[in-house]
Amino acid sequence: SFVLTQPPSVSVAPGKTAKIPCEENTIGSKSVHWYQQKPGQAPVLVVYEDSARPSGVPERFSGSNSGNTATLTISRVEAGDEADYHCQVWDRGSDHWVFGGGTRLTVL
Amino acid sequence: EVQLVESGGGLVKTGGSLRLACAASGFIFRSFAIIWVRQAPGKGLEWVSSISSTSIHIYYADSVKGRFTVSRDDANNSVYLQLDSLTVEDTAIYYCVRGPSVMDPFDYWGQGTLVTVSS
Repeated sequence: SFVLTQPPSVSVAPGKTAKIPCEENTIGSKSVHWYQQKPGQAPVLVVYEDSARPSGVPERFSGSNSGNTATLTISRVEAGDEADYHCQVWDRGSDHWVFGGGTRLTVL
Repeated sequence: EVQLVESGGGLVKTGGSLRLACAASGFIFRSFAIIWVRQAPGKGLEWVSSISSTSIHIYYADSVKGRFTVSRDDANNSVYLQLDSLTVEDTAIYYCVRGPSVMDPFDYWGQGTLVTVSS
C-alpha cells in the first residue's frame, strides 16, 4: 500500500486562494478525490476524479493532479470554507481505500 | 432524500464486541456499495470495510481484518458491521457511507456512531 501525505494545516486570508497538496510518488497516475469536513459534521465530497465537481459544489473549488502532487484549490476563500480537507485514492493493488492525514484550513 | 443512519455504538471493554447497523433510505439500496469509515478523536479518516451491491466483493482494512465482519440485508435496506476483539485503538466515530461501487468515491455519508473502547 502507499501513503498520502498532506500538511496538517494551511492558512489563508479571506478572498485569497488556498492550495492544499496531497503527495505520493505516483499520484499523478491515480484518481484523487477530496472531502470537506466541517467541525462536528460528516465529510462531504467536493472534488472527484482529480478535478470534477459534484452538483452543488461551488466553482471556487477545483482540483489538479500531476507527477507526485494532487492539489485542491479554493479560490476567493470565505470564512465558511474553514474545515478539514481529506484526499483519497483507491489502491487497485490491494483493493483498499487510502486517505491522506487531512489538512485543517484556517481562514485568517 | 438519501439517508444513512448508523446505530449500535457505545462503550465497551477491551476484548468486547459490538454490532453496528446502518439503515438506508431514499435510494435503490441493492444498487449501491456501502462502506464503513472511522475517525478516531482528533484524527483523520480511516477506511474500515466495503461491501459491494451484490456482496460478492468484501474488503477490510488490515487493521481490522479477522476482527470485523460486514454484511448486508437488502430486504431491510441495512448493512451491519460486527466488531469483535475490540482494542482501545478502535475507539472512533464510525460512518456508514454510500458509493456507486466499492471503488468509486463516496457520495453520501451518515452522521456516524461513536464507539468507545476502554481498558
